[in-house]
Amino acid sequence: DVKVTQSSRYLVKRTGEKVFLECVQDMDHENMFWYRQDPGLGLRLIYFSYDVKMKEKGDIPEGYSVSREKKERFSLILESASTNQTSMYLCASSSPHLLAAPWNEQFFGPGTRLTVL
Amino acid sequence: GENVEQHPSTLSVQEGDSAVIKCTYSDSASNYFPWYKQELGKGPQLIIDIRSNVGEKKDQRIAVTLNKTAKHFSLHITETQPEDSAVYFCAAIPRSNDYKLSFGAGTTVTVRA
Repeated sequence: DVKVTQSSRYLVKRTGEKVFLECVQDMDHENMFWYRQDPGLGLRLIYFSYDVKMKEKGDIPEGYSVSREKKERFSLILESASTNQTSMYLCASSSPHLLAAPWNEQFFGPGTRLTVL
Repeated sequence: GENVEQHPSTLSVQEGDSAVIKCTYSDSASNYFPWYKQELGKGPQLIIDIRSNVGEKKDQRIAVTLNKTAKHFSLHITETQPEDSAVYFCAAIPRSNDYKLSFGAGTTVTVRA
């Protein structure tokens, strides 16, 4: 069974702390994504990685960085957490191959609800 | 970039009735339109998708229609059941970028017993 796991379901941090959110997928997918989900705003892409050590900014990268040292693991880093980064963070992975069925389906983890005090 | 608008933001239906969610997109080059369902405490999961060369697709009680001229697509759920209660997201992938999805804001569907 396809699986994307995230290191924590709930996380509480203080303003200014460095925060690491970890995501692991077991499907050998090349693509991995980090989104944040806020009410009324849907899912907004923070960063995207299409290969090990490769990354691309999404729509809202400010205040975030990412790391992909291994194919199965994609980390989101908040260098100095702020209260406006309180949100639900979702990780996803997908295969870019044309024969993947359904094509380009993104598989999501359960999410990490981060609260920054 | 692609801009996807989704309506309504909330939808309450009686069990057994139909539910319709509508989305519009801005990039006429978009060619793939998936729908995701997010149940409480879980991540979104793909439930149905449609490509730009198809006008309609059905899978049991759910169907999606696409109007390329008007740049809108819709999700139809018939004979709604309590397990259909969830948040639904529409999305689009522009032809220029095969990997990244642009999501709508989501619709919270509540099915009343």
